[in-house]
Amino acid sequence: SAVISQKPSRDICQRGTSLTIQCQVDSQVTMMFWYRQQPGQSLTLIATANQGSEATYESGFVIDKFPISRPNLTFSTLTVSNMSPEDSSIYLCSVVAMDSGYTFGSGTRLTVV
Amino acid sequence: DAKTTQPPSMDCAEGRAANLPCNHSTISGNEYVYWYRQIHSQGPQYIIHGLKNNETNEMASLIITEDRKSSTLILPHATLRDTAVYYCIVRLSHANTGNQFYFGTGTSLTVIP
Repeated sequence: SAVISQKPSRDICQRGTSLTIQCQVDSQVTMMFWYRQQPGQSLTLIATANQGSEATYESGFVIDKFPISRPNLTFSTLTVSNMSPEDSSIYLCSVVAMDSGYTFGSGTRLTVV
Repeated sequence: DAKTTQPPSMDCAEGRAANLPCNHSTISGNEYVYWYRQIHSQGPQYIIHGLKNNETNEMASLIITEDRKSSTLILPHATLRDTAVYYCIVRLSHANTGNQFYFGTGTSLTVIP
């Protein structure tokens, strides 16, 4: 299956700042997704990262708050903008490869103070 | 939207079989049942998936009822390392159609020594 490197693994940020999370895959993948997992909760899909075009956001998530880039088939970034303590969560990258199904990264644990 | 219902928590004695149920009464004919698990502080890990027939791999067995409205994940000999949150997900299988995973609340399985 695809191997995902997600960076940073954790960070503590000041409110009002922004953090960009990187997702690097060791092979070309068809689809890339970003999830959020708030403390003690299940995973919630934020958006689908589309290669070469704007991301497709789920209800309740907007581009101004969570801008996403996907410049090629192996890399994507998620930015959490103008952070508040409510953004403290684990953010996970997920990919779909043609021959191996869905794989998740280990996540980025974000704490906003 | 999550289309599955699972009990919030279960206990299982170490060495015994763990049977985790999932209801998916609105599943459509071309949707698969997937199982993932999430060990604390890690990304979700693929376990098994199936469409109609029962499936078995090195990790678990998946039993799907004939009407496909429910399924059971079986861990044949649970170990302490199987303590995790187990997610049952239904979705289309095709990797390049952009059909994302929508997670429900999952079952928190605790394996007891």
